[in-house]
Amino acid sequence: AQKVTQAQTEISVVEKEDVTLDCVYETRDTTYYLFWYKQPPSGELVFLIRRNSFDEQNEISGRYSWNFQKSTSSFNFTITASQVVDSAVYFCALSLNAGNMLTFGGGTRLMVKP
Amino acid sequence: EAGVAQSPRYKIIEKRQSVAFWCNPISGHATLYWYQQILGQGPKLLIQFQNNGVVDDSQLPKDRFSAERLKGVDSTLKIQPAKLEDSAVYLCASSGDNYGYTFGSGTRLTVV
Repeated sequence: AQKVTQAQTEISVVEKEDVTLDCVYETRDTTYYLFWYKQPPSGELVFLIRRNSFDEQNEISGRYSWNFQKSTSSFNFTITASQVVDSAVYFCALSLNAGNMLTFGGGTRLMVKP
Repeated sequence: EAGVAQSPRYKIIEKRQSVAFWCNPISGHATLYWYQQILGQGPKLLIQFQNNGVVDDSQLPKDRFSAERLKGVDSTLKIQPAKLEDSAVYLCASSGDNYGYTFGSGTRLTVV
């Protein structure tokens, strides 16, 4: 069975600080997909990124960056120069095949204070 | 493209009553999912449909929950009778050939 662990339940930072959200996953499969979603107070899940298990290149998108390390089964998410609008719950998730169910972590609540 | 539509947005019922949620996926998406998200937790899969067939319903409490996807498009999730612990947000999602998942805004159920 798959498992995703987000050990940080809540993080509070001051605006403009950098923050890293940790994600550790467990699976016996060699092919899998990793995701990050943002859930603002309105409740919808907003897709941020998808990586497949064969692509360990780190990715940067504006203030967001992701570090995928198969050796430690981690897929961490960093927000640089955080902003109040980044306040939300962030979920890491895993699926074994494209179109298969997502297994979510428990989420990390990020609070960015002005 | 239009997103995944869900209704109602909010629902408050008394325990032992029944309730139904509706989901309209993105046009052309063959796979539809229902997730349950209890406050403070990550979403958990209840059931997955491929067209109008069930792929995975292993975590659906079948004594009280049922779901159907008629004609492989819209889906309905029903709870009968509801319990206090069913209070949660019920999220519908769909996915197509591009392997992306799109989530609806969810239905927030409160059982009192």
